[in-house]
Amino acid sequence: AQTVTQSQPEMSVQEAETVTLSCTYDTSESDYYLFWYKQPPSRQMILVIRQEAYKQQNATENRFSVNFQKAAKSFSLKISDSQLGDAAMYFCAYNPKTSGSRLTFGEGTQLTVNP
Amino acid sequence: GAGVSQSPRYKVAKRGQDVALRCDPISGHVSLFWYQQALGQGPEFLTYFQNEAQLDKSGLPSDRFFAERPEGSVSTLKIQRTQQEDSAVYLCASRPDGDKNIQYFGAGTRLSVL
Repeated sequence: AQTVTQSQPEMSVQEAETVTLSCTYDTSESDYYLFWYKQPPSRQMILVIRQEAYKQQNATENRFSVNFQKAAKSFSLKISDSQLGDAAMYFCAYNPKTSGSRLTFGEGTQLTVNP
Repeated sequence: GAGVSQSPRYKVAKRGQDVALRCDPISGHVSLFWYQQALGQGPEFLTYFQNEAQLDKSGLPSDRFFAERPEGSVSTLKIQRTQQEDSAVYLCASRPDGDKNIQYFGAGTRLSVL
């Protein structure tokens, strides 16, 4: 069974600084997707960034980037120039490429941004 | 266009009551998923539909949980004889055909069973 582990229940960062959230996963699949979702208090799960396992290049979306280490099964999220609006719960998620497959989520990391 | 819509936003039920939670996916999205999110935890898979067919219900915790999507659009998650351990946020997600595998989530229904 696939598992996703986020070892940091809480993180904090100063506004305008950089923070990295960690995620590791376990799978026997060779091709899959990895995601970071953001969940603010409104509960709306918002996609932050997506990585395809067969692509060696790390995904980037504006201030958000990932460090994908396939052999180590590690998928960390870096947030640059942190903003107050980045404060939320962040979930790492895994999804094999087979049709219809569910997302498997980690436990989440609560990010606080200090002004 | 509109996103995934879930109703009600909040539901309070007395133990033993039946509840029905509704999900309106994004128009044209073939796949629909239900997840259960306990307080302070990540969402956990409940069930998956492709159009009107329920292809995976392996995550449903008991036979008190039932989901349907009769016309391949709106879906309803029904919980019979609610128990306190059913208290959670129930999230619905839809996904279009294609290779991006991105699921779009609604804001969820928070169920509190007293």
